[in-house]
Amino acid sequence: DSGVTQTPKHLITATGQRVTLRCSPRSGDLSVYWYQQSLDQGLQFLIQYYNGEERAKGNILERFSAQQFPDLHSELNLSSLELGDSALYFCASSVEQGPTSSYNEQFFGPGTRLTVL
Amino acid sequence: LAKTTQPISMDSYEGQEVNITCSHNNIATNDYITWYQQFPSQGPRFIIQGYKTKVTNEVASLFIPADRKSSTLSLPRVSLSDTAVYYCLVGGPVSGAGSYQLTFGKGTKLSVIP
Repeated sequence: DSGVTQTPKHLITATGQRVTLRCSPRSGDLSVYWYQQSLDQGLQFLIQYYNGEERAKGNILERFSAQQFPDLHSELNLSSLELGDSALYFCASSVEQGPTSSYNEQFFGPGTRLTVL
Repeated sequence: LAKTTQPISMDSYEGQEVNITCSHNNIATNDYITWYQQFPSQGPRFIIQGYKTKVTNEVASLFIPADRKSSTLSLPRVSLSDTAVYYCLVGGPVSGAGSYQLTFGKGTKLSVIP
């Protein structure tokens, strides 16, 4: 158990819909990362938040957005869903020292499996 | 943005040492190299991280040559439970931007044979 929790575990929805995935980081971790994992694209970094602020952006679509709340939990919002958005979405957390520190070990949650029909 | 290349798959017999190499030709000065292990239906799990030369922990070693354009994860005496996908991650702070760039490789599927 990494200490990172994600809800829901599974989500089935239809094209055009909007969903919200939730992540609670390990106690004390200020950074939250979101990843998408699909069979053809592998593990893709989407976005990172540190203590409520966006820190880094990867291959995140404009239809997707995220935020980190004052209690440090994070939500990933996916809208106008397409069949190709079906994937495993992972959240990870880490302790961050600051923008010039070395990259820290990330602890991954169990993931949310999204199926778009 | 550092791009990484790994072999798609590897087979090994139990008890052998396995070396998995990741190429990252345009690694940036501030980038670190991290390896993760992933079992089916689970999130990746940290194995080891390094910046240059050699790093060793209780489960693996990481070799990084002086030019840092590649890295090799070494797993000593693998067992059946080491069958998993291994990912190379290159990333670090973006100088002056206060943010990070993170690039995962496509992963190497290691199959350990009895």
